[in-house]
Amino acid sequence: TQLLEQSPQFLSIQEGENLTVYCNSSSVFSSLQWYRQEPGEGPVLLVTVVTGGEVKKLKRLTFQFGDARKDSSLHITAAQPGDTGLYLCAGAPNFGNEKLTFGTGTRLTIIP
Amino acid sequence: DSGVTQTPKHLITATGQRVTLRCSPRSGDLSVYWYQQSLDQGLQFLIQYYNGEERAKGNILERFSAQQFPDLHSELNLSSLELGDSALYFCASSTTGIQNSPLHFGNGTRLTVT
Repeated sequence: TQLLEQSPQFLSIQEGENLTVYCNSSSVFSSLQWYRQEPGEGPVLLVTVVTGGEVKKLKRLTFQFGDARKDSSLHITAAQPGDTGLYLCAGAPNFGNEKLTFGTGTRLTIIP
Repeated sequence: DSGVTQTPKHLITATGQRVTLRCSPRSGDLSVYWYQQSLDQGLQFLIQYYNGEERAKGNILERFSAQQFPDLHSELNLSSLELGDSALYFCASSTTGIQNSPLHFGNGTRLTVT
């Protein structure tokens, strides 16, 4: 089983601050997805990164896939209360018919 | 709105009982996935169906079973329920059955076993 560890587990910061959360594994993934889940709802896909070293931007969110395709980071600039939620990374296996593996998540709270 | 519909939204039942959770995938999606989410275990993959056939199996207990019908909706059956089965159960769908397909999640069924 391929494991994905996310850090920090919890993060609470003031509105307007910047933050970075991490998704790490010892396994190589063919691609990695980031989801955000709000209370009472299912996870919603934010982005998919495929190429090692790839950087994708979604407004104030910047996603990076590690060169070796084992890790990823999500950087939020000038955090807003609407960014509050559970951020999940999910790795697609590099071979065979293994399932998509979800990380343990980072629960982010932005304080107004 | 993801286009994935799950019913019921909440379910409260007693230990030993059996329940059925229902999922209608997004229009055009052939693959359905079931996940269990609890506070201490995160999002755990249970099972995947593609166009009516089982495609992949995860940490699904023998007391649990699922199927996907010809109209592509899916049901997850949970039997001999235990307190530890209390969790959020999510259904997700994707266009293809390949493992790196983006998933579209429903809003889940919150199961409480008392």
